Amino acid sequence: DAGVTQSPTHLIKTRGQQVTLRCSPKSGHDTVSWYQQALGQGPQFIFQYYEEEERQRGNFPDRFSGHQFPNYSSELNVNALLLGDSALYLCASSLAWKPIYEQYFGPGTRLTVT
Amino acid sequence: AQSVTQLDSQVPVFEEAPVELRCNYSSSVSVYLFWYVQYPNQGLQLLLKYLSGSTLVKGINGFEAEFNKSQTSFHLRKPSVHISDTAEYFCAVTPFEAVGSNYKLTFGKGTLLTVNP
Repeated sequence: DAGVTQSPTHLIKTRGQQVTLRCSPKSGHDTVSWYQQALGQGPQFIFQYYEEEERQRGNFPDRFSGHQFPNYSSELNVNALLLGDSALYLCASSLAWKPIYEQYFGPGTRLTVT
Repeated sequence: AQSVTQLDSQVPVFEEAPVELRCNYSSSVSVYLFWYVQYPNQGLQLLLKYLSGSTLVKGINGFEAEFNKSQTSFHLRKPSVHISDTAEYFCAVTPFEAVGSNYKLTFGKGTLLTVNP
């Protein structure tokens, strides 16, 4: 079992550009959550996807959007990148009917906006 | 809404010394509490959790934490640390009623534990 995988590992973008990050959940998991971890900060919840729909959302602007595919994998899209979007983006997967502490985190994608 | 304060951003200690990482939380409802560890270039791993019952909970790698409701604290301790314990540690909470519904976690800013030889 490969666990939660994320791609790419690192990414450098320019202000104003758009970026797509990808996440493959742990085998058997149906729910994917995304977190942003800025330097020196704890992870902040962006949103969660279940059954291909956004189930809950944190305090992030509409520039942040996502998608979940029928195979439960997920994408995080960020439009009109700002310097402040530079962060480690973590994906976590879980089973919808299981408690939140049973989610598994991926290693993250480090996004640098210049 | 919930918030988590980790009182120390960095804690340097020598190998085999005891360590305590402090965590305080604020919430208008009862919460469940967690400690996560993040090793360099890795994702978060659950160290331990408090759901109910005994206020002293034991986790992996010899860590333990004590829930103190009156002080709204959940400090993490280890009696003797190893070089391999060097990592970032995050305290997190989620509301009582939400734990079965896969609700989000609210994290603190983290404490970098550095164990020196």
